[in-house]
Amino acid sequence: GIQVEQSPPDLILQEGANSTLRCNFSDSVNNLQWFHQNPWGQLINLFYIPSGTKQNGRLSATTVATERYSLLYISSSQTTDSGVYFCAVGGKRDFGNEKLTFGTGTRLTIIP
Amino acid sequence: EAGVAQSPRYKIIEKRQSVAFWCNPISGHATLYWYQQILGQGPKLLIQFQNNGVVDDSQLPKDRFSAERLKGVDSTLKIQPAKLEDSAVYLCASSLVKGWGAGGTEAFFGQGTRLTVV
Repeated sequence: GIQVEQSPPDLILQEGANSTLRCNFSDSVNNLQWFHQNPWGQLINLFYIPSGTKQNGRLSATTVATERYSLLYISSSQTTDSGVYFCAVGGKRDFGNEKLTFGTGTRLTIIP
Repeated sequence: EAGVAQSPRYKIIEKRQSVAFWCNPISGHATLYWYQQILGQGPKLLIQFQNNGVVDDSQLPKDRFSAERLKGVDSTLKIQPAKLEDSAVYLCASSLVKGWGAGGTEAFFGQGTRLTVV
């Protein structure tokens, strides 16, 4: 099946700093989502972005499908941004069966 | 619009006991997923339904896990008997279905059920 790698695994930043999280995937995708997992374990949808660029406030994401990677940018980090960020993809080979395969996540810690 | 509902939020059981989790997807979402997330790892798909049919259960440990989605709406996931390694968060998600080959759709997750097996 499709493989998903995220980097870095851990990131510690001062409040106000900017960060870039990367997601590499091994095959063509129909679906790519970025999630933030809060301390209570819930997965919060950030972006649905199988291709192109989107922005939502301090967050933005870019997926370059032809090169099989996606980037999540967080600007002016706040302590509430802390948590684990997951990239999840649905492979094009999964015709009509768009399950999501998750990466291992990036744990972001923002220090006041 | 209501999100994906799951219950219970927490469950502690002894090994060899049985447990069941319930999920109500977003209204109109034909696809329903159950994921298992072990501490420190990303979620792993256990089973995927489309309406009341199973699309993928290749990673479901069928000797102890079972799932059903009667009437194509609510779903239950059962573990019997539970093992220590089943301690995890069980996440339910749902999504719309496009036409065959029309690409993926955004999935939404419930709050999860945290299971501890002692």
